[in-house]
Amino acid sequence: DTGVSQDPRHKITKRGQNVTFRCDPISEHNRLYWYRQTLGQGPEFLTYFQNEAQLEKSRLLSDRFSAERPKGSFSTLEIQRTEQGDSAMYLCASSPPGLAFYNEQFFGPGTRLTVL
Amino acid sequence: TQLLEQSPQFLSIQEGENLTVYCNSSSVFSSLQWYRQEPGEGPVLLVTVVTGGEVKKLKRLTFQFGDARKDSSLHITAAQPGDTGLYLCAASGGSNYKLTFGKGTLLTVNP
Repeated sequence: DTGVSQDPRHKITKRGQNVTFRCDPISEHNRLYWYRQTLGQGPEFLTYFQNEAQLEKSRLLSDRFSAERPKGSFSTLEIQRTEQGDSAMYLCASSPPGLAFYNEQFFGPGTRLTVL
Repeated sequence: TQLLEQSPQFLSIQEGENLTVYCNSSSVFSSLQWYRQEPGEGPVLLVTVVTGGEVKKLKRLTFQFGDARKDSSLHITAAQPGDTGLYLCAASGGSNYKLTFGKGTLLTVNP
C-alpha cells in the first residue's frame, strides 16, 4: 500500500520564476489537501479538494497560487512569480471518504521550496 | 479562528525519562490528532481522539482528550532516542475538513 507521494522533493528557483508541484494521494482517498510549513511553525492550511472540486481556499493562497485536481486523482500546486517569502515546505495530504469530525489526514513527504 | 497552543515548545531529556506535552485551546473540537514529524519529512499520524475524556495508548505513548474537548496531552514513558522529533497536535471542528495545527513541541531524547 503506497502512501501519499510528492514530486519534486526539493526545488530551488530564482525569484520571479514559476514552479509547479505534484501530489499523488492514497488511492481511493477522495479528499486532498495542501498545507505550507515554515521553520518553527506547524503546517498552515492552503486549500482542499473533494474529488475534483476545490471546496475551500485560505487567505494565504494569493492570486499567484493556483491548485488543480482535474480528474479527482493527482493534484498540482503552481506558484507564479515566486517571491523569497514563498520559501517553505509544501505538504500534501489525503483522507478517505467520511465525516468531517473523524478527519484523519495522511501526509506526503513534502516539497521543500527555496526561492533565491 | 481556532488556535492551538502547545507546550513546552522545546524539551530535551535523557533516555529513560518520562515526559508530557500539552495541546490547549479555548475552542471545542470535533476531533484532535497527534502527529510526529522528523526533519525534512511530512507529519506521520499517531492517533485520533474524538470523545471527551478519551484515553488511547500506543505502546509507550498515552494520549488523552480533555473532557470538554478543548485540550489534549501526550505522555511518553521511558523515552528513547527514536522518539526524537516534532510533535504536532491538529484539530478540526464541526463540518470543517481542514486541520488547524499547533506550532509543535520539539523533543530531543539524548542517549
